[in-house]
Amino acid sequence: GQQVMQIPQYQHVQEGEDFTTYCNSSTTLSNIQWYKQRPGGHPVFLIQLVKSGEVKKQKRLTFQFGEAKKNSSLHITATQTTDVGTYFCAGRESSGSARQLTFGSGTQLTVLP
Amino acid sequence: GAGVSQTPSNKVTEKGKYVELRCDPISGHTALYWYRQSLGQGPEFLIYFQGTGAADDSGLPNDRFFAVRPEGSVSTLKIQRTERGDSAVYLCASSLGPAVGAGELFFGEGSRLTVL
Repeated sequence: GQQVMQIPQYQHVQEGEDFTTYCNSSTTLSNIQWYKQRPGGHPVFLIQLVKSGEVKKQKRLTFQFGEAKKNSSLHITATQTTDVGTYFCAGRESSGSARQLTFGSGTQLTVLP
Repeated sequence: GAGVSQTPSNKVTEKGKYVELRCDPISGHTALYWYRQSLGQGPEFLIYFQGTGAADDSGLPNDRFFAVRPEGSVSTLKIQRTERGDSAVYLCASSLGPAVGAGELFFGEGSRLTVL
């Protein structure tokens, strides 16, 4: 079945440093979504990417979808303590009838003040 | 309500017991998902409903797990003969529909199940 892997599993940064998490799928995706989960909370949608090579920005966050639609990345510029949480990518296979959204294992970000 | 509502928020049960977890999605959302999440892990897909029917139940781990959505709104996840390994947070999410543009999932706060 489809597998979605994320690296790194954990990342500690000083406030103001940049942060990047990478997501790789074993199969080609029709789209990829990113979610943020604060400690003790539930996943909250950040963005969806659909097109090959797509790049989207939300303030200090930059999301990319690979040309082959099998990988993605999230980059945060100048991290703040409010960025603390676990970031998940989630992808939907482009082939077959599967409708499930498969989540990666997440990258837990700690921002040190 | 405005968001996805899940009850109970916490459930402690003994091994072998039967458990029901309820999810009330956002009004008008036709798609409903169940996931479970263990500590330090990503949400693990269980089942997806489009309307009343289970469009994809490939994530249900075994026949002890079953879910229904009889009227296309509220869903119930049912777990028979619970085992300690079933302990996790069970997350429900809804979305407008299966179309690519309507794919954003809105999650509930989850039901934390502990099997002693």
